Amino acid sequence: ETGVTQSPTHLIKTRGQQVTLRCSSQSGHNTVSWYQQALGQGPQFIFQYYREEENGRGNFPPRFSGLQFPNYSSELNVNALELDDSALYLCASSLEGRTGYGYTFGSGTRLTVV
Amino acid sequence: AQSVAQPEDQVNVAEGNPLTVKCTYSVSGNPYLFWYVQYPNRGLQFLLKYITGDNLVKGSYGFEAEFNKSQTSFHLKKPSALVSDSALYFCAGRNYGGSQGNLIFGKGTKLSVKP
Repeated sequence: ETGVTQSPTHLIKTRGQQVTLRCSSQSGHNTVSWYQQALGQGPQFIFQYYREEENGRGNFPPRFSGLQFPNYSSELNVNALELDDSALYLCASSLEGRTGYGYTFGSGTRLTVV
Repeated sequence: AQSVAQPEDQVNVAEGNPLTVKCTYSVSGNPYLFWYVQYPNRGLQFLLKYITGDNLVKGSYGFEAEFNKSQTSFHLKKPSALVSDSALYFCAGRNYGGSQGNLIFGKGTKLSVKP
């Protein structure tokens, strides 16, 4: 059983640029969620994808968008990067309808915006 | 509004002593509650969860947590701390049956275990 893998592990971008982060969900999981963890804070929910559609969103602007693919992997796209977007971005996979099984997190992508 | 609170930014414990990391929650309906641990520059590692049933939940690495509905608490405990337990601990909750499958996290508690 493979876990959740995220790529890249680290990334440096310039303010105003666009970035794409990738996530492969755990085998057997059909739902992917993305979280932003700023330095010294707990993770904040960005959005969730199930059956290739967004089915929940936190308090993040539209320049944060995503995709889920038929194999349940996912991308997080951020446009017009701002300095405050610097954070650890975590992907979590789960099995919708089986909340009790919990969420498996990847190791994250550390994004630095300069 | 739903929330999870970890009132302590840091907990210091001597190796071999018992440890407690506190968490309180405010969610509507039946809560699902989780504890995760994060080591430096790493993602979140699952420790344990409360869904239903016994109020005392046992998890990985000798950790356990006690669900207390009347006090809306879910404190993490371990009878004998190890130096290797030093890390950042997050409590999280989810509203059962909510339309969004998201977790609500506390801000984290840094656990420092000294030899």
